[in-house]
Amino acid sequence: DAGVIQSPRHEVTEMGQEVTLRCKPISGHDYLFWYRQTMMRGLELLIYFNNNVPIDDSGMPEDRFSAKMPNASFSTLKIQPSEPRDSAVYFCASSHPAGPGGDTQYFGPGTRLTVL
Amino acid sequence: AQSVTQLGSHVSVSEGALVLLRCNYSSSVPPYLFWYVQYPNQGLQLLLKYTTGATLVKGINGFEAEFKKSETSFHLTKPSAHMSDAAEYFCAVSGLSYQLTFGKGTKLSVIP
Repeated sequence: DAGVIQSPRHEVTEMGQEVTLRCKPISGHDYLFWYRQTMMRGLELLIYFNNNVPIDDSGMPEDRFSAKMPNASFSTLKIQPSEPRDSAVYFCASSHPAGPGGDTQYFGPGTRLTVL
Repeated sequence: AQSVTQLGSHVSVSEGALVLLRCNYSSSVPPYLFWYVQYPNQGLQLLLKYTTGATLVKGINGFEAEFKKSETSFHLTKPSAHMSDAAEYFCAVSGLSYQLTFGKGTKLSVIP
């Protein structure tokens, strides 16, 4: 398997622009997670999906952020409008739990977003 | 609610020396515990995890960790550091849900 695929790997944009990050989970995985990593706050869970349905979006920082999963093989994280404080590395991860808790999440390589 | 505290944001060891990265957790339910490693410009990769059973867990690249419930700890060790171990290491906890709560990370430097 190719692992979790994210695109683009790097994105540089100007404040106010719309940014869309993309993720393809590992085939057969029914959980998908979006994380943000910054020096100040570390790794934060933004939102996660089960079978394409958002389960918990309490980590989404504000209404400028939205995430969708239209099918089992694709998810997007959108920021509109973007602000400099959104600059971070955004990771997508997927998993296929065998039971409650304890499952391994497989991470993509991340998208490094810079908002000027 | 769960939380993870990693003691020491930076740890330096000499090549061949013992590696010890500390992790303490807080959980209101029996925890599942993980160590992930992140190499520069890459995503996180699972090193090892504790779910149930044996409290000493062996992972990849010679790493191991011991779950100590009485101390709420899950420290990561490796007997002999290698240059290729230089990376950032994250401890994480989950409960019955599938959400992981990560520590702030410890950056390991290996001195030749």
